[in-house]
Amino acid sequence: DSGVTQTPKHLITATGQRVTLRCSPRSGDLSVYWYQQSLDQGLQFLIQYYNGEERAKGNILERFSAQQFPDLHSELNLSSLELGDSALYFCASSRGRDYEQYFGPGTRLTVT
Amino acid sequence: AQTVTQSQPEMSVQEAETVTLSCTYDTSESDYYLFWYKQPPSRQMILVIRQEAYKQQNATENRFSVNFQKAAKSFSLKISDSQLGDAAMYFCAYRSAKYGGSQGNLIFGKGTKLSVKP
Repeated sequence: DSGVTQTPKHLITATGQRVTLRCSPRSGDLSVYWYQQSLDQGLQFLIQYYNGEERAKGNILERFSAQQFPDLHSELNLSSLELGDSALYFCASSRGRDYEQYFGPGTRLTVT
Repeated sequence: AQTVTQSQPEMSVQEAETVTLSCTYDTSESDYYLFWYKQPPSRQMILVIRQEAYKQQNATENRFSVNFQKAAKSFSLKISDSQLGDAAMYFCAYRSAKYGGSQGNLIFGKGTKLSVKP
């Protein structure tokens, strides 16, 4: 158990819908990273937050957004969902940029 | 942009034997970190080992060790005394140590699926 929690574990929804994925980092970790793992794209970095502020963006679509709240939990919002958005979404946390990232168990999103 | 390449999509090893997984990377930076992550069938991403580019000594963690060749931009993972529980996808990852820019996100290879035969 990494100490990073993600909910829900599984999510099945239809195209065009909007979903929210939630992540709670390890106690004491200020950085939260979101990654997407799909069969065709592999593991890709989406976005990073540090202590409530956005710090870096990767290959994140405009339909996707995220935020980190004062209690340091983070949410990834995915809207206007397409079949290609089906993937495993990971959250990872670290104490800061020079520390290891520990991954949550992931949320499996299936868009039908 | 940095890239990470794992040229072996699948590998197989006999239980108790040794196996080496290959990874090469491309970067113009001199300061960075390299990692190996394990992803078993549960899909959990587990950190196996970490290497700082400024360290010449290769990292080791119990049965896991790396061969870091900075000039060749090569970072292989050796698993000794392989166990059934080592069966998993293994991902090589790069992270810049440069301040600003990427802010520390990981860049992953495509992975190597390791099977362990009893």
